[in-house]
Amino acid sequence: EDQVTQSPEALRLQEGESSSLNCSYTVSGLRGLFWYRQDPGKGPEFLFTLYSAGEEKEKERLKATLTKKESFLHITAPKPEDSATYLCAVQAGNNDMRFGAGTRLTVKP
Amino acid sequence: GAGVSQSPSNKVTEKGKDVELRCDPISGHTALYWYRQSLGQGLEFLIYFQGNSAPDKSGLPSDRFSAERTGGSVSTLTIQRTQQEDSAVYLCASSGGLYSGNTIYFGEGSWLTVV
Repeated sequence: EDQVTQSPEALRLQEGESSSLNCSYTVSGLRGLFWYRQDPGKGPEFLFTLYSAGEEKEKERLKATLTKKESFLHITAPKPEDSATYLCAVQAGNNDMRFGAGTRLTVKP
Repeated sequence: GAGVSQSPSNKVTEKGKDVELRCDPISGHTALYWYRQSLGQGLEFLIYFQGNSAPDKSGLPSDRFSAERTGGSVSTLTIQRTQQEDSAVYLCASSGGLYSGNTIYFGEGSWLTVV
């Protein structure tokens, strides 16, 4: 069965303190791995899609990487406005999308 | 439309009543997804449509839940005889447009409260 596990569940950082969020997955026929950001009371907002091991994508202070078993979302010098829940999802050969439980990130000024 | 549109944005209903939640996907998107998110929890997959057909209904929690999609566009999620445990945000997403590929884009959700 396809599984997506995110760690840690919650992460508290000081402003400027870089860190990484992990997404481990087991899936048959990975078609894509996706990262989303979700603010309270909002729908998830798309950040990145990664398709193959070794691929990297960057956007502002965020960088996503992918291996055959996991993906990392690296946050460099975070700011309070980066506080949100970050969701990872995998899409398998049958096209459905399975999400992890998310990492709740809090960045203190 | 420019984004995924869901209605109603908020719904309070009495236990035992039926509710219908509507999703209008991004124009041209062929795939449509429904998810449920309880307070402070992750996204629970409910159902996925490709066109008007639903290849994967495995996530529907009980036979009180049903969904349909017509004209390859609008979808309705119906919950019959609502229970308090149905209270959650119901999120719709779509994908499969010419330029978006298999990335899914979400609406803002329909907040359902069963009292």
